[in-house]
Amino acid sequence: QKEVEQNSGPLSVPEGAIASLNCTYSDRGSQSFFWYRQYSGKSPELIMFIYSNGDKEDGRFTAQLNKASQYVSLLIRDSQPSDSATYLCAVVGASKLTFGTGTRLQVTL
Amino acid sequence: SQTIHQWPATLVQPVGSPLSLECTVEGTSNPNLYWYRQAAGRGLQLLFYSVGIGQISSEVPQNLSASRPQDRQFILSSKKLLLSDSGFYLCACSGALAANTEAFFGQGTRLTVV
Repeated sequence: QKEVEQNSGPLSVPEGAIASLNCTYSDRGSQSFFWYRQYSGKSPELIMFIYSNGDKEDGRFTAQLNKASQYVSLLIRDSQPSDSATYLCAVVGASKLTFGTGTRLQVTL
Repeated sequence: SQTIHQWPATLVQPVGSPLSLECTVEGTSNPNLYWYRQAAGRGLQLLFYSVGIGQISSEVPQNLSASRPQDRQFILSSKKLLLSDSGFYLCACSGALAANTEAFFGQGTRLTVV
C-alpha cells in the first residue's frame, strides 16, 4: 500500500463548478496534511494545510480532514481555467514529508 | 520568510559522469531538508531527508547520495549517472518541527542524462 494515494485523473470540471480532490494516507500517526498545486514544469506551491479534523476554508479552497478514515480532501469552488494544474497531497509523519502522485485537474470553458 | 536557492536550473550530463546539485536555505535555522525527484508526468519521489547536520535518511536504494555539511546546505551527488537518473530534482525545507510547518520548494533542477 502506498503511503499517500491520489487518483491521477484527469479530473475535468466546467468553469464555475466545484472540483473535489481526494487523498488517503496509510500512517495513522501522520500529523500534518498539505495541498500543493503544481503547474507543468514548475515547482509545487502550497495552497493549504490542515492539522485538525474538520474543515478549513481559505477563499475558494476548503480542506477537509478525517483522521479516523485517514482521508483528506480539497474542494475548489467556482473553478477557473487558471486552476488547471496537478494537485499534490502531502503528509507529514516522523519528520518525513511524503507526497501522493497528484491529481491532474482540467477546468473547461 | 524562508528562501531556497537551488542550482543549476537545467543540466545535461552524459551517462557515467558525476553529479552535484546544491541547495541552500535562508531565513530559518535547523530546517528539515528534502530532496525529491519527479520523472516526467509523475509524482514526487522522496529521495533523501535530513533533520540536522550530518543526518541523512535515504528512502530508496539508488546510485545517488546526499550530504548536509552545514545547517542550511543540502547536496545531492552521484559518482556515475544513469539514464534513469533523468528528471526534475526539487529541494524542499520545512521547519525544525515537521508537524505544523509547511514545506517550501526551490525552483528545481531539470537533469537530462544523455
